Amino acid sequence: DVKVTQSSRYLVKRTGEKVFLECVQDMDHENMFWYRQDPGLGLRLIYFSYDVKMKEKGDIPEGYSVSREKKERFSLILESASTNQTSMYLCASSTGSAWATNEKLFFGSGTQLSVL
Amino acid sequence: DAKTTQPNSMESNEEEPVHLPCNHSTISGTDYIHWYRQLPSQGPEYVIHGLTSNVNNRMASLAIAEDRKSSTLILHRATLRDAAVYYCILRDTSGGGADGLTFGKGTHLIIQP
Repeated sequence: DVKVTQSSRYLVKRTGEKVFLECVQDMDHENMFWYRQDPGLGLRLIYFSYDVKMKEKGDIPEGYSVSREKKERFSLILESASTNQTSMYLCASSTGSAWATNEKLFFGSGTQLSVL
Repeated sequence: DAKTTQPNSMESNEEEPVHLPCNHSTISGTDYIHWYRQLPSQGPEYVIHGLTSNVNNRMASLAIAEDRKSSTLILHRATLRDAAVYYCILRDTSGGGADGLTFGKGTHLIIQP
């Protein structure tokens, strides 16, 4: 089974801190994604990457950056955390260069980030 | 991606079939219909997807209307472990490339023992 592992299940940080959320997948997937999930708003795409060192903005990239130095690892960076970035963060991966018939997203269990 | 409409919540009894509806009246010819579910305290997981024909797998069945403007996810015999939020998502494959899926609010399925 594909495994997508997020480094922390719960994280508490202070306003202004630089925060790194790490995600690792073990199935050699080309595509990786970062979402955030908030009550009443569903999942929203922050950034995605379709190859090493490649990144694309999703729907809500403001206040975030990403890094993909190795194929299996995709990091989400909050340069200066703010209280409105308190949320559940979900990482996902998928295989293939095109969103074809057999494509599926595989998600990690999420990181609940609280910014105080 | 085109928009989908799902009921906010549904309730069903354990060991009975569940039919989860999804309306997608603006679906285009190249949109695939995907279903995911999210169990409590977990990330979403893939359930099933299809284009025009009905689809079956070990988790569920997907019934797609002839005009493709609606679809129904069928859980044949619900268990308590099927209690989750179910998302119906349209994905346009015509452009290729990976740009994620747009998740709406989904249907919160409650299973009564």
